[in-house]
Amino acid sequence: DIQMTQSPSSLSASVGDRVTITCRASQNIRSYLNWYQQKPGKAPKLLIYAASTLQRGVPSRFSGSGSGTDFTLTISSLQPEDFATYYCQQSYTTPLIFGGGTKVEIK
Amino acid sequence: QVQLQESGPGLVKPSETLSLTCAVSGGSISSYYWSWIRQPPGKGLEWIGYIHYSGSTKYNPSLKSRVTISVDTSKNQFSLKLSSVTAADTAVYYCARGAAAGTEFDSWGQGTLVTVSS
Repeated sequence: DIQMTQSPSSLSASVGDRVTITCRASQNIRSYLNWYQQKPGKAPKLLIYAASTLQRGVPSRFSGSGSGTDFTLTISSLQPEDFATYYCQQSYTTPLIFGGGTKVEIK
Repeated sequence: QVQLQESGPGLVKPSETLSLTCAVSGGSISSYYWSWIRQPPGKGLEWIGYIHYSGSTKYNPSLKSRVTISVDTSKNQFSLKLSSVTAADTAVYYCARGAAAGTEFDSWGQGTLVTVSS
């Protein structure tokens, strides 16, 4: 199975900060990488697919980059509604694997 | 806008079979792949498997011996059966839609908590 490692596992940031979350795959997954946001008690929400394509309706402050094994989710200016847990997911092959998550908390 | 809604018992006894259904509304179940994903309390996400509307399936090898996913196109719904459950199967179970085999999940149900306990 492909392993997905996210870092950091948690971070504290302030409104307006630029936030970067990293996801590393244990093998080359080309651009088959997706990002989700999950708030407490809610289902995950797709933010970015194919490494860098913004899902319809997602604010442009979210962006994704990378290919191969190293990927990044960036929030350019953190907003109050962005405090949540973020997951990456590889869709290169089954089993479809999620990263362990990054919890973004208020500083 | 497609909507997904999970339903089924919230409490299952150890060694019994967990059964859930996901009703799809606002769109056809055809032409998509439909997955089950679970999340133990306070933990991360685990993909269980998917089914195509044609009936073809793919399961996570870690659960494959215990999982069956089926589809009922006439009712626009699909179902999950997980046999021989233990406390480790306690989780929120989500159904979700994928545009193709092994892709991103663009629509999710709200999730349903299933507790395994006697």
